[in-house]
Amino acid sequence: TQLLEQSPQFLSIQEGENLTVYCNSSSVFSSLQWYRQEPGEGPVLLVTVVTGGEVKKLKRLTFQFGDARKDSSLHITAAQTGDTGLYLCAGSDSSYKLIFGSGTRLLVRP
Amino acid sequence: DAEITQSPRHKITETGRQVTLACHQTWNHNNMFWYRQDLGHGLRLIHYSYGVQDTNKGEVSDGYSVSRSNTEDLPLTLESAASSQTSVYFCASSAGPLREQYFGPGTRLTVT
Repeated sequence: TQLLEQSPQFLSIQEGENLTVYCNSSSVFSSLQWYRQEPGEGPVLLVTVVTGGEVKKLKRLTFQFGDARKDSSLHITAAQTGDTGLYLCAGSDSSYKLIFGSGTRLLVRP
Repeated sequence: DAEITQSPRHKITETGRQVTLACHQTWNHNNMFWYRQDLGHGLRLIHYSYGVQDTNKGEVSDGYSVSRSNTEDLPLTLESAASSQTSVYFCASSAGPLREQYFGPGTRLTVT
């Protein structure tokens, strides 16, 4: 069974600080997606990374896929209160089903 | 605008009752998925479908069933609800492999 471990599980930071969230597995994934979920809503896709070593930037968010396609990271620069939410990584297995990590709950304090 | 809807949004039922959660999408996506979300577990796949008349078991399928009679709908049935099935249930759809999954707003189910 493929597993994705996210760390940290919970992060509370001050507005303006930087942070990194990690998503690790012992398995290789064909692609990896990052979703953000607000309370009472379904997850919304932020980015998909496909190639090992790939780096994608979305404004203040930087996503990286590991060279071996087993891990990924999300770095947020100068966090804002609007970044508060649950961040989920999800790897695509060989039959293209998504395997979700347990999530990182981010709280950005004003 | 295309969307994916779930109903009901909240449901309280008793142990042993049959419950059906509805999922309807207007994206015309072939792929549809049901997940449950519990604290500390992220999203776990219950059942999924890659097209009409196609259904497959996911990671946590025991006690659940689905049927796909058309492109738009994938209802999830709990045959005999158990307290362990208290959770938030999300339906999702996608256009194909490696494509974005669009999620519904979720159904919060409580089994007493």
